[in-house]
Formats: sequence, structure tokens, C-alpha cells
Amino acid sequence: DQQVKQNSPSLSVQEGRISILNCDYTNSMFDYFLWYKKYPAEGPTFLISISSIKDKNEDGRFTVFLNKSAKHLSLHIVPSQPGDSAVYFCAANLRQGAQKLVFGQGTRLTINP
Amino acid sequence: EAGVAQSPRYKIIEKRQSVAFWCNPISGHATLYWYQQILGQGPKLLIQFQNNGVVDDSQLPKDRFSAERLKGVDSTLKIQPAKLEDSAVYLCASSLEPGRRPYFGAGTRLSVL
Repeated sequence: DQQVKQNSPSLSVQEGRISILNCDYTNSMFDYFLWYKKYPAEGPTFLISISSIKDKNEDGRFTVFLNKSAKHLSLHIVPSQPGDSAVYFCAANLRQGAQKLVFGQGTRLTINP
Repeated sequence: EAGVAQSPRYKIIEKRQSVAFWCNPISGHATLYWYQQILGQGPKLLIQFQNNGVVDDSQLPKDRFSAERLKGVDSTLKIQPAKLEDSAVYLCASSLEPGRRPYFGAGTRLSVL
């Protein structure tokens, strides 16, 4: 049962353009969403988060949008830079019980010069 | 501030052998997680500790996997006996408390031949 889904395994974007990574979830009990970035041979590093009481959060070039009715969130990177090439994971925090994070499968973003 | 430390970084074993991974979380972080990341998938939570107690091990294959967190600080994850499908990156993460964003270590890449 995949509660958090990233349906695009890969995405290729021209440097300077906008990158949009998408994530869908099924469980309405998720109350906090995070994006992590992962380079090869490194652990995931936190990028940006959003609480379920908001619909947008911005941090520099990174903006996360949350559409609760559609159970969808997206990460926008503007402008995209070569250093943004990495695997991006969407994660959702389950309000009940142990409050654990559930991760999506990841999207590999490649920024072309 | 030192990050989450994990060792070894790489391990190659034959099936049916045993293996152990070690994790030292960020100082003061009460919550510790072990995740398994199979190639092409997102991290999957194996076990979550709060101090030295287990709060979630619902996805831990208990017939072969075990984990402990003595004294509420360092943790070890053991696999005995290993199977081919255990080949993955094992990520340790820690957070101040459940529901707060985890910080990840670099992981241990396990290859079972």
C-alpha cells in the first residue's frame, strides 16, 4: 500500500528554467509534508516542509504547494541550477501513533546546462 | 554540530551470513530511526526508537532483523541470516522528538551475494 506516490521517476530540465516535482498521497491523516534531496552516496538532506494548515511555503528558490482537496503537493525550483541535480523524495508525517514519516519513491532531477 | 554517524559505509556478505550496522545519532536527539532503501524506492521505516524504547517496529522482519538502542544513544541493527533481497542502503536518522524532521546519516550500503 503506497500511501505517498511520486509518479515521475525522472525529470530533465534546462538550466535556468522551472523544475516542478509532484507528489500524491492517499491518507488524509498526514499533517506535515517534507521534501528531501539526495546526492549519490549521501544520506537524504532536508529541503523544505509544509504544514497541512498552509497551502504554500517558500524558501529562496524553493516553493512547496499543498492542495489538500486533491491530496497533492508539488515542489517548484526557480531558477534551476546544475547543483540541483539529485533525487528528490517527498515524505509525509502520519499524525497518529508513532508519528513516522512515509516516503515516496523519489524523482531523479537532471538539470542540463 | 556533528551529524548522524554510521558505520561501516559499505559491506559485502554472502547470503546466510550475519551483519551488523552501527549508528550514533545527533547529541540530544531522543528519537532514532532505521530505514531500508532498496534501489529505485524510497526509504522504508524499519524501526523507530524513543530513547531506548521501541515505538514502531511494524515493518521490521523480526525473524531475521533485530535492533537495539542501549542507554538511549547509539543503536545497532543486525541481520541474521541475510538474504539476497536484503541488499539495500540502511539509513539511520534521528530527531529531537517524534514528528520533528529527521536528520539522516550517509547510510550503509549492503550487498548480499
